[in-house]
Amino acid sequence: DIQMTQSPSTLSASIGDRVTITCRASQSINSWLAWYQQKPGKAPKFLIYKASTLESGVPSRFSGSGSGTEFTLTITSLQPDDFATYYCQQYDDYPLTFGGGTKVEIK
Amino acid sequence: EVQLLESGGGLVQPGGSLRLSCEASGFTFRNYAMSWVRQATGKGLEWVSGTSGNGRSTYYADSVEGRFTISRDNSKNKLYLQMHSLRAEDTAVYYCAKEACSSTNCYGVDYWGQGTLVTVSS
Repeated sequence: DIQMTQSPSTLSASIGDRVTITCRASQSINSWLAWYQQKPGKAPKFLIYKASTLESGVPSRFSGSGSGTEFTLTITSLQPDDFATYYCQQYDDYPLTFGGGTKVEIK
Repeated sequence: EVQLLESGGGLVQPGGSLRLSCEASGFTFRNYAMSWVRQATGKGLEWVSGTSGNGRSTYYADSVEGRFTISRDNSKNKLYLQMHSLRAEDTAVYYCAKEACSSTNCYGVDYWGQGTLVTVSS
């Protein structure tokens, strides 16, 4: 199975900060990576697919990059609505697997 | 508007069985792969199982292989997860999930249900 490792597990940041979250795959997944945002008590929200394609309606301050085994999610100017937990998920092979999550907290 | 409505969660004893259902609307159900994803309280997301649009292909996480069965009834726009030999570690909110797919590949979950809680405890 493909293991997905996110770092950091928790990130403290302020409004307006640039934030970067890393997701590493245990083997190459090409660009088959998705990113989600989840707030407490809510279902996840689809942000990015194929590593760098923004889902419709997602603000442009979110971006994704990477291929192979290393990927990043960047928020260029953190907004109050962005404090949440972020997950990556690989779509290269079954069983599909998620990263452990990165909680973005207010500094 | 896409809607996914799960049902069937509840309290079950270890070793017991439960069947979850997900009623889908707002899209052509038979054209889309579907999945179940779970989340234990305070923990991360765990993909559980998935099925192709016609139901002929099914996939499972190692943790549930042999105990859970995913199925769908495209005539009723319903997705199911039959769970047997339940363990305490299966306790979680179970989400029904619609896959975003091109003609050749799926690449993410674009719609999620609200989740149904399964508690395995004596």
